[in-house]
Amino acid sequence: ETGVTQSPTHLIKTRGQQVTLRCSSQSGHNTVSWYQQALGQGPQFIFQYYREEENGRGNFPPRFSGLQFPNYSSELNVNALELDDSALYLCASSLRWVEDEQYFGPGTRLTVT
Amino acid sequence: AQSVTQLDSQVPVFEEAPVELRCNYSSSVSVYLFWYVQYPNQGLQLLLKYLSGSTLVKGINGFEAEFNKSQTSFHLRKPSVHISDTAEYFCAVSHMDTGRRALTFGSGTRLQVQP
Repeated sequence: ETGVTQSPTHLIKTRGQQVTLRCSSQSGHNTVSWYQQALGQGPQFIFQYYREEENGRGNFPPRFSGLQFPNYSSELNVNALELDDSALYLCASSLRWVEDEQYFGPGTRLTVT
Repeated sequence: AQSVTQLDSQVPVFEEAPVELRCNYSSSVSVYLFWYVQYPNQGLQLLLKYLSGSTLVKGINGFEAEFNKSQTSFHLRKPSVHISDTAEYFCAVSHMDTGRRALTFGSGTRLQVQP
């Protein structure tokens, strides 16, 4: 059983650019959630995908978008990067509901300069 | 809206001493409660969760937590800590009735175990 993997590990972008982060789900999981963790804070929910459909969204602007593929892997896209987007981006895979354990990946550290 | 407050940003403790990490939540509906641990350069790992039933929940690595509905608390305890317990600990909640999709996390407590 493979765990949740994320790529890339680290990324440096310039303000105004676009970025795509990737997440591979744990085998058998059909749900992927994305969280943003700013330095010194707890993770904040961005959105969730269940069977390729967006299934819930947190308080993030539309320039944060995502995709889930038939193999349940996922992408997080952020357009028009801002300095405040600098953070650790975590994905978590699970079965549908939150009471089922969510398995987190190690995260992608995004730095916007 | 639900929120989570972790009262202590840092908790220093000596090895083999007991520890309690405090968590209070606010929500207008019933919630599920979770504790996660984050080791340096790693993702979050579930320690334990409360869904229903017994208010005392036992988790991995010797941790336990007690759900107190009247005080809206879910404090994490361990009777004897090890150096390897040094990490960031996050309390999280989720609605039981609606929105059972996302976790709302506290700001974290850094547990520093000293020899």
